[in-house]
Amino acid sequence: DAKTTQPNSMESNEEEPVHLPCNHSTISGTDYIHWYRQLPSQGPEYVIHGLTSNVNNRMASLAIAEDRKSSTLILHRATLRDAAVYYCILRDRGSNTGKLIFGQGTTLQVKP
Amino acid sequence: EAGVTQFPSHSVIEKGQTVTLRCDPISGHDNLYWYRRVMGKEIKFLLHFVKESKQDESGMPNNRFLAERTGGTYSTLKVQPAELEDSGVYFCASSLKQGTNEKLFFGSGTQLSVL
Repeated sequence: DAKTTQPNSMESNEEEPVHLPCNHSTISGTDYIHWYRQLPSQGPEYVIHGLTSNVNNRMASLAIAEDRKSSTLILHRATLRDAAVYYCILRDRGSNTGKLIFGQGTTLQVKP
Repeated sequence: EAGVTQFPSHSVIEKGQTVTLRCDPISGHDNLYWYRRVMGKEIKFLLHFVKESKQDESGMPNNRFLAERTGGTYSTLKVQPAELEDSGVYFCASSLKQGTNEKLFFGSGTQLSVL
């Protein structure tokens, strides 16, 4: 599986937008980009995923670079509840298993 | 709708003892996964059930770990005998369908401490 690289930690102020970057320079043409997050004392939680086009849902937006070698998860207005570890994960389109390969992720701190 | 539930939430046992973790997936989810995070490491895949069959158990660390899903509903993960390095958080996840649009729903995990 292709590897992703994320900053270890980021800080944000409450009610401001947050841009969480992810580099995946070895991404293949069949890899989808998935984001999960893990709130304190909970299991990971699905956030969003995409292939080439930018994606939006009620939780976040995903901006994918044109060459697909990087992507950015965007939280439009951070709340204290968004403090979590955010994981950027690649999944092969041909994959028939939920075997996710987690990295270290980015720990997001949200300040009031 | 109930989410993925795991029992117990915490377990403290001595080295050499046996522990059984239970996972109840979301009703109707055929896919069930076990993951774990041991101290200081990343979350790692253990295995995947489709209904009662093991689809992929490539992440199981050794034969002290036994996972079952009789009847294709809940699953158990038994560690026998437990060793110190088994300490960590064990997560269960379930999903409705496989493929690239698959979304995994995780439980809150079982914190296992082996003393």
